Amino acid sequence: KQEVTQIPAALSVPEGENLVLNCSFTDSAIYNLQWFRQDPGKGLTSLLLIQSSQREQTSGRLNASLDKSSGRSTLYIAASQPGDSATYLCAVNPGNQFYFGTGTSLTVIP
Amino acid sequence: DAGVIQSPRHEVTEMGQEVTLRCKPISGHDYLFWYRQTMMRGLELLIYFNNNVPIDDSGMPEDRFSAKMPNASFSTLKIQPSEPRDSAVYFCASSFQAGGLNQETQYFGPGTRLLVL
Repeated sequence: KQEVTQIPAALSVPEGENLVLNCSFTDSAIYNLQWFRQDPGKGLTSLLLIQSSQREQTSGRLNASLDKSSGRSTLYIAASQPGDSATYLCAVNPGNQFYFGTGTSLTVIP
Repeated sequence: DAGVIQSPRHEVTEMGQEVTLRCKPISGHDYLFWYRQTMMRGLELLIYFNNNVPIDDSGMPEDRFSAKMPNASFSTLKIQPSEPRDSAVYFCASSFQAGGLNQETQYFGPGTRLLVL
């Protein structure tokens, strides 16, 4: 069974700082990997989707990379803002269902 | 589109009672997923449907849980009888997949917070 781990579990940074969130997975046989954002009391919102053939995806201040062979992905957030405060989850898709990590809770301090 | 709609948003019930959670997927989406989220176990897939047919229910914890999708615009997740350990946030998500599960993202509803006393 695919296991997805996210480190750190929580992160607190001052506004303006660049930061990296990490995701690792045990089985490299995946079709894609997604990063989601979850605000308190809300559902998940997809941020970036990386297909297995891709190495990175960018959207605005967000950049996600994928190293399938080593079972790792990173989410880079540039010039962090208080509005970025949320829980970030990664999910891998081996083809039949999505396996989620437990998330990184990010707090950006004004 | 209004997005994925779930009801109720909050449910408090007593142990032993039947609980029914409802979901309306995004129009045109042909996959529907039910997830459960807890602090201890994170987000777990319970069951998913394709074109109203259950494809994989291996995540359903036990026989007390059942899910149906009578048509393309409605699904239910039922717990009978409910137990305190069922307390969690239950999410419904939908997606449109032209060629399978490999290409598209999922759109999540706001969730139903269930508390079983």
